[in-house]
Amino acid sequence: NAGVTQTPKFRILKIGQSMTLQCTQDMNHNYMYWYRQDPGMGLKLIYYSVGAGITDKGEVPNGYNVSRSTTEDFPLRLELAAPSQTSVYFCASRSPGPRHYGYTFGSGTRLTVV
Amino acid sequence: QKEVEQDPGPLSVPEGAIVSLNCTYSNSAFQYFMWYRQYSRKGPELLMYTYSSGNKEDGRFTAQVDKSSKYISLFIRDSQPSDSATYLCAMTADNDMRFGAGTRLTVKP
Repeated sequence: NAGVTQTPKFRILKIGQSMTLQCTQDMNHNYMYWYRQDPGMGLKLIYYSVGAGITDKGEVPNGYNVSRSTTEDFPLRLELAAPSQTSVYFCASRSPGPRHYGYTFGSGTRLTVV
Repeated sequence: QKEVEQDPGPLSVPEGAIVSLNCTYSNSAFQYFMWYRQYSRKGPELLMYTYSSGNKEDGRFTAQVDKSSKYISLFIRDSQPSDSATYLCAMTADNDMRFGAGTRLTVKP
């Protein structure tokens, strides 16, 4: 199994540009998440989804949008990129079982906004 | 005050040392406690989990939770260079996972 796959791995954007970070999982997990990781700040939740067609905001949703049309895919859209969005973005998923099952993370997308 | 506090280190130890990594938290509703290991330029991977208070051992790793003190620990015995990574604590109640900032560990041969 591939697990959680994120593309692209790296990207440089200019201020004001837009892009979509792709996330696909092949484990039939209902729950999917988008986090950003900044140095010394840990993981901050951007958006999450409990199933196809259902999404909700996390701690830091401003400047981002998501959609969940299928169980497998959970793309993250950045509109009007700003330097503050320079970060490493991780997609994660988990099954709807007990929370100690933990999350499966992708390998991340490193985004730089200049 | 952050909901989850974790010393970011960095922590450097010689091979074979016992490593102690710790987190404190403020939300008494947390019930599930986890440790993730993150290698450089990779995503976090679940290392261990503990439910409520107590100890759990898995090979060279031991996780401890003291809910009365709101304090969790991860011990690594006979540390190896391959243990060099960032370790993140995480915890949850009935809502989303909350992560610590991560402690960067280097084990020197």
